[in-house]
Amino acid sequence: KAGVTQTPRYLIKTRGQQVTLSCSPISGHRSVSWYQQTPGQGLQFLFEYFSETQRNKGNFPGRFSGRQFSNSRSEMNVSTLELGDSALYLCASSPGTSYGYTFGSGTRLTVV
Amino acid sequence: EDQVTQSPEALRLQEGESSSLNCSYTVSGLRGLFWYRQDPGKGPEFLFTLYSAGEEKEKERLKATLTKKESFLHITAPKPEDSATYLCAVPLGDYKLSFGAGTTVTVRA
Repeated sequence: KAGVTQTPRYLIKTRGQQVTLSCSPISGHRSVSWYQQTPGQGLQFLFEYFSETQRNKGNFPGRFSGRQFSNSRSEMNVSTLELGDSALYLCASSPGTSYGYTFGSGTRLTVV
Repeated sequence: EDQVTQSPEALRLQEGESSSLNCSYTVSGLRGLFWYRQDPGKGPEFLFTLYSAGEEKEKERLKATLTKKESFLHITAPKPEDSATYLCAVPLGDYKLSFGAGTTVTVRA
């Protein structure tokens, strides 16, 4: 079956702009999580959604937001981009009843 | 403070040279420990879940074990294709995984 699909794979944005990343989970999975991965901080939890409700949020500024649609697809948005937002953004999905998350290949965001 | 620590940061092995990676955690009420493998430019790939001390899981040349304070990932007779970064993670709070910094394994032919 198809895995977790993230689009786009690569993105270059300018400081101050905003960006939207998309994630399509595995069919039947209702939980979607987002993580930021950088060389210095490793994998950091951003937020988790289940049935369109945010159940948990990490320690990131309000510029980072997300949402989930009724078909479980999810988007995350970063406004007023900063150079430090350059990272690999990973989406993971699970059925919602365990932590057995399957990750996508990520979106590589570069802010210049 | 809850945290996950992996060691060593990097491991260089000769093909066939077995070794172990360590993941120590300070979490009260452990609700599972997860091992992932990550190749450059890709997302983490799930390997194992361990839930209780004494539990062991195996997959090809990899074997994961769990104690009350740490987990080990043993790589037996590694091959170059086992080169990757290995990450461990534990649930912290609800629906959130806390990851270690990872161990980057390089296996030379």
